[in-house]
This record gives sequence, C-alpha cells and structure tokens, in this order.
Amino acid sequence: KNQVEQSPQSLIILEGKNCTLQCNYTVSPFSNLRWYKQDTGRGPVSLTIMTFSENTKSNRRYTATLDADTKQSSLHITASQLSDSASYICVVSVGEITGGGNKLTFGTGTQLKVEL
Amino acid sequence: DGGITQSPKYLFRKEGQNVTLSCEQNLNHDAMYWYRQDPGQGLRLIYYSQIVNDFQKGDIAEGYSVSREKKESFPLTVTSAQKNPTAFYLCASSSGLAGFNEQFFGPGTRLTVL
Repeated sequence: KNQVEQSPQSLIILEGKNCTLQCNYTVSPFSNLRWYKQDTGRGPVSLTIMTFSENTKSNRRYTATLDADTKQSSLHITASQLSDSASYICVVSVGEITGGGNKLTFGTGTQLKVEL
Repeated sequence: DGGITQSPKYLFRKEGQNVTLSCEQNLNHDAMYWYRQDPGQGLRLIYYSQIVNDFQKGDIAEGYSVSREKKESFPLTVTSAQKNPTAFYLCASSSGLAGFNEQFFGPGTRLTVL
C-alpha cells in the first residue's frame, strides 16, 4: 500500500531558528516528490518538486532533500519567520502513465508554528 | 490574474440538502480535481477530470457528483447521500496528468452541515 508518513506531527520553534521536517514514503513506482505549504484555511502552495535523480532543491529559505534509496525526504527551513507558520505537506507521485490522471499520495502534514 | 477560484469560501447546509461548490480556473489546464481535507488526514481525491465532458471517480466519490461542461469549470455537488459532508474542500488543476505535472490549488470551501 502506498503511504507517506511525516514527522513530527507538530513543531514549535522560535523566530530566526532553523528546522527540518521529515517525510518517509513507501510509494512504488516512484515518480516525484513534492512539498507544499498550506496556511490555515487556504489551499496548498507548491514549494518544490523533485524527481528521483535530484538530491536537493532550494526555493528561497526552503531546501528539500531526497534519498530515493531510503525513500526519505526532508524539508529544511532556514532563519524561520512568523509567516512560515503553516502546515507542510509531503506528496509523492506514483510513476504510472496509464490507469488514471491522478496518482498522488498525500502525507498528513507537519504543523509548524513560529513564535517570537 | 491567473489562478483557481472557489466559491463560496464558507457554506452551511442543513441535513438532507444538496449543495454545489464552484471551481473555476483560467490557467488553460486540461485536468481538474476535487479533494476533501479532514483534520489529521491527508487530502483524499473525490473526482477528477482530464478533459471536458469526461470525469472519473477518485477514492471517495460516494455521495458526490461532478460535471465538466467547460474547460474552465468543474463544479462539485455534495448530495444528501454523503453521510459526513462537513469538511474542507479543495479544487486543483494541472496542465496534464497530476502525477507528472504540478497541481495548483484553489483557496478552498469549508462546508458545514448543521
């Protein structure tokens, strides 16, 4: 069964500090892995998309890593800001062309709160 | 200003009533999707459409219906047959298959059954 597990479930950090969120998956065959940021009461917004050949990808203060061998990904947030408070969702895509238009498995998210 | 819009933002419904959630996109995307989000759970796919006049059931289609008469629009009807409709509903679109193309999400509609 395709699964995506994220840890921790929630996290509180002080403004200016760094943090790392984890994502483990059992999706097969693997196509790509995505990290989304979702503010409370809003739709998710894409941060990064990584294929199996990419080990790291950065988007401003967000850096995602991918280890396709161990099926793990992490999202590192540098110099956190109050506006980083949100849910961060890991999404893994199954590598199938036939059989349907959508083969995405969503994690339950890590709820991050940045405090003064 | 390109993007996906959903309306209304908040919707209240009495038990036994059908309600329709609107989703419009001006990104010229062929594929559109409806997800349901519940606390502590990952997004779950309700229905998706890869092309106009065609749509497919997702993982939790029971109690829902959709139509795709125009490329820009993909309304979702929550029927009285849906036993637990209170949730946050998200519409998304992509230029091609979601598995290989980035999905863009709308702002969501929060449905509450009274």
